[in-house]
Order: sequence, then structure tokens, then C-alpha cells
Amino acid sequence: NAGVTQTPKFQVLKTGQSMTLQCAQDMNHEYMSWYRQDPGMGLRLIHYSVGAGITDQGEVPNGYNVSRSTTEDFPLRLLSAAPSQTSVYFCASKRTGSGGAGKNIQYFGAGTRLSVL
Amino acid sequence: KQEVTQIPAALSVPEGENLVLNCSFTDSAIYNLQWFRQDPGKGLTSLLLIQSSQREQTSGRLNASLDKSSGRSTLYIAASQPGDSATYLCAVVTGNTGKLIFGQGTTLQVKP
Repeated sequence: NAGVTQTPKFQVLKTGQSMTLQCAQDMNHEYMSWYRQDPGMGLRLIHYSVGAGITDQGEVPNGYNVSRSTTEDFPLRLLSAAPSQTSVYFCASKRTGSGGAGKNIQYFGAGTRLSVL
Repeated sequence: KQEVTQIPAALSVPEGENLVLNCSFTDSAIYNLQWFRQDPGKGLTSLLLIQSSQREQTSGRLNASLDKSSGRSTLYIAASQPGDSATYLCAVVTGNTGKLIFGQGTTLQVKP
């Protein structure tokens, strides 16, 4: 059981380039989200999705796009990278449906370390 | 606006000590609270989840308590080991949206 898988693990971009951070989960979780972690700022929510076809903004959504076409995947797109987007990005998922153990426990991927020059 | 604070920011203890990490939050109307562990350069690992209706949760040497009325949670680690060295993060969910609001974390070092 792989859990939450993020690719790539590391990425260096130049200002203005675009890229997509991939996130996939194999636990059939309804809820998925993206956070960024910065020194002194902690973890902050970028976007989240409560199910396929539904997305919403978090605390720091500017400069990022998301879509959720399947339950398993929740990619994060940087439209035009800026140095301020240098950060570590984490994807998370959780089960929200009723029944069984483990509801609402959030599982995180290993992260993508992004540098924008 | 919900704010989460963790004190202390760093803690160093000798192996074998029992210790308590503190987490406080400003809005008591939380849905649940989750404690995570983060090793350097790694992702977050869930340790314990406490629903708003619960007072505590236990897993092995870990015990987490929740006092919503005072806006506080503690993570108790019994008989600490060097392998417990990591950053411990507390996060609350306000409402049924699943949005986690994190504290800044407590970095724990357990010396052999």
C-alpha cells in the first residue's frame, strides 16, 4: 500500500517557467489537499478538494491551479514560477466517508522540494 | 481566526525521560486535533487524532489529551528514546472542511 505519492522529489525552475507537481493516493480517499512549508511560516493550505470534480482555495492559492478529474490524483500547477514559490510542497489525503476506522486521519506524502531561481 | 501555538519551540532531554509537549489554540470550536511527527527532510507522519468529543488518545508510549474549553492539548511521551528525536506538529481542524491549521512545531532531541 503506497499511500500518498508525490513526484518529483526535487525540482529547480527558472522564474516564469511552469510545471505540475503530481500527487496520487491509492487509499480511495475522498479528500485531498496541498500545503506548502516555509521556515518561520509553518504549513499553509494552498488548495483542497472534497471529491472528484470539486476544488476550493485555501489560505495561499495565488499562483497555483488545481483540478481533480479522478479520486486518485490531485495535481498542483504553477503557472509562472516566482522565487516566492520556493518551498517544500506536501500533498495530503483523508477518508471522509462514514464507516470503519481511520476516518479524518490525514496522510501526507514525502514532499516536493522546489527552488525557483 | 484560529491560531495554534506550540511551546516550547525546542526541547532536549536525556534518554528515558518522560516529557510533555504543549499545543494551544485560540478558537475552541474545533472538529478534531491531530499530532504529527516530521523527521528532517521528510513528510509528516500522523501520530494521534483526537475527535472533539474525546478527551484523550493513546498509542504505545504516546498519549494525547484534549481540553477544548481551555484550548489546549498535550502530547505525553513516556520513556523517551533517541529514535523519538524529530519535530512534533500539532494541527486543528475547525469545521468539517478538513483544513488543517498547524502550530510551528516543537523540535525534540533525545540524547543517548
